[in-house]
Amino acid sequence: DTEVTQTPKHLVMGMTNKKSLKCEQHMGHRAMYWYKQKAKKPPELMFVYSYEKLSINESVPSRFSPECPNSSLLNLHLHALQPEDSALYLCASSQGTVGLDEKLFFGSGTQLSVL
Amino acid sequence: AQSVTQPDIHITVSEGASLELRCNYSYGATPYLFWYVQSPGQGLQLLLKYFSGDTLVQGIKGFEAEFKRSQSSFNLRKPSVHWSDAAEYFCAVGAPGKLIFGQGTELSVKP
Repeated sequence: DTEVTQTPKHLVMGMTNKKSLKCEQHMGHRAMYWYKQKAKKPPELMFVYSYEKLSINESVPSRFSPECPNSSLLNLHLHALQPEDSALYLCASSQGTVGLDEKLFFGSGTQLSVL
Repeated sequence: AQSVTQPDIHITVSEGASLELRCNYSYGATPYLFWYVQSPGQGLQLLLKYFSGDTLVQGIKGFEAEFKRSQSSFNLRKPSVHWSDAAEYFCAVGAPGKLIFGQGTELSVKP
């Protein structure tokens, strides 16, 4: 299994809603990532988990809350989002983050619209 | 400062024609370079990567890239483009937790 699975594929939420994005991989990877991508732009790193511990937070607003319940799962909890948070949210994984010969495996993303 | 520049925002080529997408980088140490492709509404797929050794790297889907240290470039090439190659292409430099992406080049393919 070389897939990173993200659910849901599409999500529409209001600014007062609470929702969660889910990501799962069964490749035995120990690093997992959340990226945000606006249309026609490159992905922007949000968070990195390494061995189930948060290792990088790229100064993301607290209305985004990541969680890594185990080595295969990564969640992104959303609360009180703003319309400008509408974007494609990509999950990725890699064997580790230390080795420079790592490559990222990306999921297909969740297209989020905040109304 | 570390950066990646993809000078072409949008390129259109005819099916069967050759393709070259440009990528220039600025990186303090030996660069670790990647090309990713993204179809609309999808995640990114790794086409190829360069870490060391042979400067001509072969990837999936018939793509190759050449690392030229003197020009700080890592251009992506394909000898004959297929309609299914239409997508967004991103060049990136760095390690997984610190990847720096270029702005992307959108490839359109004419029949």
